Amino acid sequence: AQSVTQLDSQVPVFEEAPVELRCNYSSSVSVYLFWYVQYPNQGLQLLLKYLSGSTLVKGINGFEAEFNKSQTSFHLRKPSVHISDTAEYFCAVSEPGGADGLTFGKGTHLIIQP
Amino acid sequence: DSGVTQTPKHLITATGQRVTLRCSPRSGDLSVYWYQQSLDQGLQFLIQYYNGEERAKGNILERFSAQQFPDLHSELNLSSLELGDSALYFCASSVAPGYTEAFFGQGTRLTVV
Repeated sequence: AQSVTQLDSQVPVFEEAPVELRCNYSSSVSVYLFWYVQYPNQGLQLLLKYLSGSTLVKGINGFEAEFNKSQTSFHLRKPSVHISDTAEYFCAVSEPGGADGLTFGKGTHLIIQP
Repeated sequence: DSGVTQTPKHLITATGQRVTLRCSPRSGDLSVYWYQQSLDQGLQFLIQYYNGEERAKGNILERFSAQQFPDLHSELNLSSLELGDSALYFCASSVAPGYTEAFFGQGTRLTVV
């Protein structure tokens, strides 16, 4: 069974500052890793994914994440945030070839302060 | 727009009632997943269908059931509703089970009063 821990429930940051949202996972097998964003009253949108290969993954809206197998982490970063980045961010894991869908973390609310 | 359509967007109903949520997957996707999002439980996987067959079950209550029809749309049936069933219910679709990406609909917000 897999699990995902998002260490911060809320992260306040000033506009144009860098941000890192932390995600750690637990799994006995290899995994696929995802970050999704949920804007208010919206569904989930995929930001980026790690399947294999390069551990640095670039996504939409200037976000990137780095897969660290030894630390079982997949932290999300953005060098300069904008007010429009205010949203809930979810880290998720799935098992390659598995059928059980995605296992999500509890989410991190990113709050951008002007 | 993800291409996944969920209806209705909002639903208010009384305890003890039964409701049906509908999901149309993206064109070409054979796999449908249902998730429940609540404040206390977060996002939880309920059930998955692939090409009409149930493929995996997560934390789905016995009062809940789902099916996928030949045209690949799916319905989630929730019965004997309780206040605690109030949540956002998402449908997602992917090309195949275990595929590398799932596309989510906008969700159905269910309020049980």
